[in-house]
Amino acid sequence: EVQLVQSGAEVRKPGESLKISCEGSGYSFRNYWIGWVRQMPGKGLEWMGIIYPGDSDTRYSPSFQGQVTISVDKSISSAYLQWSSLKASDTAMYYCARRHGDYGEFDFWGQGTLVTVSS
Amino acid sequence: DIQMTQSPSSLSASVGDRVTITCRASQGISRWLAWYQQKPEKAPKSLIYAASSLQSGVPSRFSGSGSGTDFTLTISSLQPEDFATYYCQQYDSYPLTFGPGTKVDIK
Repeated sequence: EVQLVQSGAEVRKPGESLKISCEGSGYSFRNYWIGWVRQMPGKGLEWMGIIYPGDSDTRYSPSFQGQVTISVDKSISSAYLQWSSLKASDTAMYYCARRHGDYGEFDFWGQGTLVTVSS
Repeated sequence: DIQMTQSPSSLSASVGDRVTITCRASQGISRWLAWYQQKPEKAPKSLIYAASSLQSGVPSRFSGSGSGTDFTLTISSLQPEDFATYYCQQYDSYPLTFGPGTKVDIK
């Protein structure tokens, strides 16, 4: 059974750093792109970026380029989303999702990680 | 970037109703379109890919159609568990983009 399990909710202050994770199981992790999607409170889905674990090829949405870093450790089947300096506007639910094949849709999703940034 | 729009933004319907949601891309995306269902406080769930192919386990009352720039999601007979928000997404090119969503609630 394909599963993506994300790390737990986080509370941080503005200016702090953070790294959240997404662990895949039940499939060959290195062979499927993993994407990250933001959902701000009461709002829609926004694609942030995507990484291919096999070679760490990474693409970012222009809206998030330079604001976050996506990385992967294929040895432990985990992808990461990190911030070096959080803002209050980063408060949101963040989902990881597996891309079906090289060009497909997001077929499996993690349960989400709620990030709250507040002073 | 390819912009996605959806209509309506919300609708009220009754159990048993036929519901149609429209999604439009700002440029042609062939059939590289997916539909997702999201219930409150839950992760999105993939319903349809390649415009009209049903994901495994998705009930047959859901169907998708379209190609190019205009797409539809149809629920043939709305069930209580279908009350949710529905998003379309293009995966023709980067950046991948989602529509703003259509909320389906109980009349």
